[in-house]
Amino acid sequence: QSALTQPASVSGSPGQSITISCTGTNSDVGGSDYVSWYQQHPGKAPKLLIYDVNNRPSGASLRFSGSKSGNTASLTISGLQSEDEADYYCSSYTSSGSTFYVFGTGTTVTVL
Amino acid sequence: EVQLVQSGTEAKKPGESLRISCKGTGYIFATSWIGWVRQMPGKGLEWMGIIFPGDSDTRYSPSFDGQVTISADKSISTAYLQWSSLKASDSAKYFCARRIAGGLGLDVWGQGTTVTVFS
Repeated sequence: QSALTQPASVSGSPGQSITISCTGTNSDVGGSDYVSWYQQHPGKAPKLLIYDVNNRPSGASLRFSGSKSGNTASLTISGLQSEDEADYYCSSYTSSGSTFYVFGTGTTVTVL
Repeated sequence: EVQLVQSGTEAKKPGESLRISCKGTGYIFATSWIGWVRQMPGKGLEWMGIIFPGDSDTRYSPSFDGQVTISADKSISTAYLQWSSLKASDSAKYFCARRIAGGLGLDVWGQGTTVTVFS
């Protein structure tokens, strides 16, 4: 199955809100309530921010929120901070094939 | 504390076999799915497959099916990713991660294992 489509880069100033999109198909994002978002700093393991479209794991910052409309999911980062500068990946359950997941192409967030 | 601890950096030659490991601590290992993710240098995350240690039910991404083998030994709380014949294109960082209870996100990640295959 093909990777989900994300913008290569998104930028914003400290304190602003930004949104990252994640576009798939009816076989994944559009047909699933299982979209997750991950943050990855250079050289580090990914960190779960959002799961099942709009749920935060224990300890996750309230500044991160998720939503979905049709075949596109979105991650919004509110009150942008310098430590938010990282790569972000979406992931979705897919009914295509026997696997569980497909990842997005990844988005680099730059804090201006 | 819930943790996944992966085995160390590997340097191998093409054609050699390799098995890397992922040990879970701080929770009941047999009751949570463990997934494997590849990240090639400077690239994004790629889903490889997932295993349920309780009964070794395993699912592979089509891209990796037949290329790697995922297994687990619940008696020692360890999952494995193995290759029978490495290629230079297998050079990457490999992460294991636990599927969150009641959802489909991956909430606990190992630190990653770097595999370098060179002649």
